[in-house]
Amino acid sequence: GQNIDQPTEMTATEGAIVQINCTYQTSGFNGLFWYQQHAGEAPTFLSYNVLDGLEEKGRFSSFLSRSKGYSYLLLKELQMKDSASYLCAATNAGNNRKLIWGLGTSLAVNP
Amino acid sequence: SAVISQKPSRDICQRGTSLTIQCQVDSQVTMMFWYRQQPGQSLTLIATANQGSEATYESGFVIDKFPISRPNLTFSTLTVSNMSPEDSSIYLCSVEVGSLVEQYFGPGTRLTVT
Repeated sequence: GQNIDQPTEMTATEGAIVQINCTYQTSGFNGLFWYQQHAGEAPTFLSYNVLDGLEEKGRFSSFLSRSKGYSYLLLKELQMKDSASYLCAATNAGNNRKLIWGLGTSLAVNP
Repeated sequence: SAVISQKPSRDICQRGTSLTIQCQVDSQVTMMFWYRQQPGQSLTLIATANQGSEATYESGFVIDKFPISRPNLTFSTLTVSNMSPEDSSIYLCSVEVGSLVEQYFGPGTRLTVT
């Protein structure tokens, strides 16, 4: 089957570090996306991992382990504006354009 | 990236009516998609809008209910036909730009069916 699992909610403190995990199961796999979605807004692209390892982009980093079907998004130096839903999505085999989406992790950053 | 606009941004419609949602991109794109996001749910792909040919629908979605047009490489419409309260949702269009694999989303259309 095809499935994406990520925690429903997380809470963190301003200035801290938070790691949002995502496990996936697809009939085939090409790569994994992370998107950020603020309430009432459209999702915005954060990262795309194809190869194993950590990719850093400013305060945000994304990690992928293809053998474990596992990814995480790491947010450093948290700011209040990072309060949002973080969506994990995997590309399906044979069709890079069709994404399998997780339900999203709602992150609340507290002062 | 691309600048994507959608019209209307929101609407309240009566059961049994139809609503057409427009998606306009500021540059030519090959791939355009239509998604639905119901409250508390994940994004669900409705169909891929193909320029010059019929849209490709995902399982559970049919052309009679969600007719799609794509007359050129910058514009598409999605119609939600014979609406029921279960169609209340946010409808989003997205595009792929050039050789980039990531999708860019429009601001969404919030539809409420009463």
